[in-house]
Amino acid sequence: NAGVTQTPKFRVLKTGQSMTLLCAQDMNHEYMYWYRQDPGMGLRLIHYSVGEGTTAKGEVPDGYNVSRLKKQNFLLGLESAAPSQTSVYFCASSSPTLDSILSGANVLTFGAGSRLTVL
Amino acid sequence: EDQVTQSPEALRLQEGESSSLNCSYTVSGLRGLFWYRQDPGKGPEFLFTLYSAGEEKEKERLKATLTKKESFLHITAPKPEDSATYLCAVQAWGAQKLVFGQGTRLTINP
Repeated sequence: NAGVTQTPKFRVLKTGQSMTLLCAQDMNHEYMYWYRQDPGMGLRLIHYSVGEGTTAKGEVPDGYNVSRLKKQNFLLGLESAAPSQTSVYFCASSSPTLDSILSGANVLTFGAGSRLTVL
Repeated sequence: EDQVTQSPEALRLQEGESSSLNCSYTVSGLRGLFWYRQDPGKGPEFLFTLYSAGEEKEKERLKATLTKKESFLHITAPKPEDSATYLCAVQAWGAQKLVFGQGTRLTINP
């Protein structure tokens, strides 16, 4: 039972380079999210998707793009990396659980994270 | 704007020494308040969801409680394996996203 898998786990980029982080989930979840985690800042939402073919902006979307061509995959792209994008990136997915079915609150399952350093 | 503030930032306890972590929140209609545990180098792991003031949930040595303005995570007789960062998050009605606090880093010394 893999859950949420992120690749790569570590990456070092030079300023201006581009890259894509891949998130794959095998739980048939409808919703998927990309967060970044920085010291003292907590988890901040970059982009999210409520279903295949849909995406929406979160709190800190600038400099990032996303795509959800398949239900199980959510890609996060950096077109021109900047040192401010040095962070740990977490992907998550969710669907309402039996416990939350009436409220619809989203219990998130997270991946292990991808540590990105931009020099 | 929905906000979550956790305190303290860090807490160091001796094994067996009970304490509480605080999560203060402001949200435009609470759909759910969540507690997660995060170990170093790993993603957050779900612990509890609370939906309404007065609700309590327990899991082993942890008990989460909720009021209209804050939530507490009570840790009773903690063990070293309870050492982790504990994250609080809220979801508002009509929103798909969760808003997280900065976390409390808990260390339990043997």
